Amino acid sequence: DGGITQSPKYLFRKEGQNVTLSCEQNLNHDAMYWYRQDPGQGLRLIYYSQIVNDFQKGDIAEGYSVSREKKESFPLTVTSAQKNPTAFYLCASSTARTGSGYGYTFGSGTRLTVV
Amino acid sequence: SQKIEQNSEALNIQEGKTATLTCNYTNYSPAYLQWYRQDPGRGPVFLLLIRENEKEKRKERLKVTFDTTLKQSLFHITASQPADSATYLCALNTNAGKSTFGDGTTLTVKP
Repeated sequence: DGGITQSPKYLFRKEGQNVTLSCEQNLNHDAMYWYRQDPGQGLRLIYYSQIVNDFQKGDIAEGYSVSREKKESFPLTVTSAQKNPTAFYLCASSTARTGSGYGYTFGSGTRLTVV
Repeated sequence: SQKIEQNSEALNIQEGKTATLTCNYTNYSPAYLQWYRQDPGRGPVFLLLIRENEKEKRKERLKVTFDTTLKQSLFHITASQPADSATYLCALNTNAGKSTFGDGTTLTVKP
């Protein structure tokens, strides 16, 4: 079955550490996205990529970095510069055609906690 | 500034009634609008998409309307069931291709 896989499900980070969250999709989608969700709030866009080897900053990119070397993969690194990284991180993918009618497919999320 | 507001944080209704959720926006010219369902600890699941030139879209017990003059979308669940209890998110898309999400409304359907 096609889908989008995020790993790990839970991740603990020590102060000053960089950590990388994995996101892989086998839906042949061109576009991929990273969102952050804090308790009781909606999703805020961190980075997005509409094509391989290209990506754009979202609304809250500071302290994060991404790469898009393969169509299937869009890893997110949470750097030590991100001062409040504890949150639920969601990866999504979609066809690049605007208004295609299919919406986004989301992964099951990674819950990151600073210890 | 751009803003998306979903009517209330929580909505409680009785089983069998129609649930109506609201999504209002300001300073956007969305090309289309989407609704998602999110269960606790899970990623959102896509439900429906409606384009700016469409007034209404239906899928089984779900109905979405989109009024670009009022800058509002309404999301209806008819004959609601306890299994419909979840958080519902609206998301706006411009032609730039990225979605901006509201904070969500948590629906509880009581038996």
